[in-house]
Amino acid sequence: RKEVEQDPGPFNVPEGATVAFNCTYSNSASQSFFWYRQDCRKEPKLLMSVYSSGNEDGRFTAQLNRASQYISLLIRDSKLSDSATYLCVVNAGNNRKLIWGLGTSLAVNP
Amino acid sequence: NAGVTQTPKFQVLKTGQSMTLQCAQDMNHEYMSWYRQDPGMGLRLIHYSVGAGITDQGEVPNGYNVSRSTTEDFPLRLLSAAPSQTSVYFCASSYSTGIAEAFFGQGTRLTVV
Repeated sequence: RKEVEQDPGPFNVPEGATVAFNCTYSNSASQSFFWYRQDCRKEPKLLMSVYSSGNEDGRFTAQLNRASQYISLLIRDSKLSDSATYLCVVNAGNNRKLIWGLGTSLAVNP
Repeated sequence: NAGVTQTPKFQVLKTGQSMTLQCAQDMNHEYMSWYRQDPGMGLRLIHYSVGAGITDQGEVPNGYNVSRSTTEDFPLRLLSAAPSQTSVYFCASSYSTGIAEAFFGQGTRLTVV
């Protein structure tokens, strides 16, 4: 099993739709979780950290389920500008390195 | 704010040539790292540093060297370029390893022919 797994997509959704991505991780000792966004041919940028209690930032909501070892990202009212690849990132437990998922591609269509 | 500055943005090398990718950050971050990103492989850690004078290998270190003489700079050296090193390279820095936001440079697109 890969350390961090994501559905690569692509997810094609119309503007205004709600879309959700899941990411599973294998190391139960992981303590930090992040969602990054990467636009085509650009560098990754932090979208949001994922806290145990879940967190929300505008149209974006992130959840952590430690029992099932997955994190999720919900995007409400999708905009054309949300089109990007969303990278799930998990710290590797004791050595605290970041393990990156391969990303989920989202295309929001007019 | 400059953040993480990475140069060059594009480079074409011939097999066997050497070169250095430059990375500098102005955020006084202790942790710096180099990744390569290939289609279907995601971001893979090449080398990282937890502070000046300290470096360690990541997941795919072969063919690359690093040094960290100052907090600000973390160059990546390709010793003898091979076509397998054709990739997009990203330098990143963060306040702390694994628990803090990583800031990335704009990337270097390297082609080895």
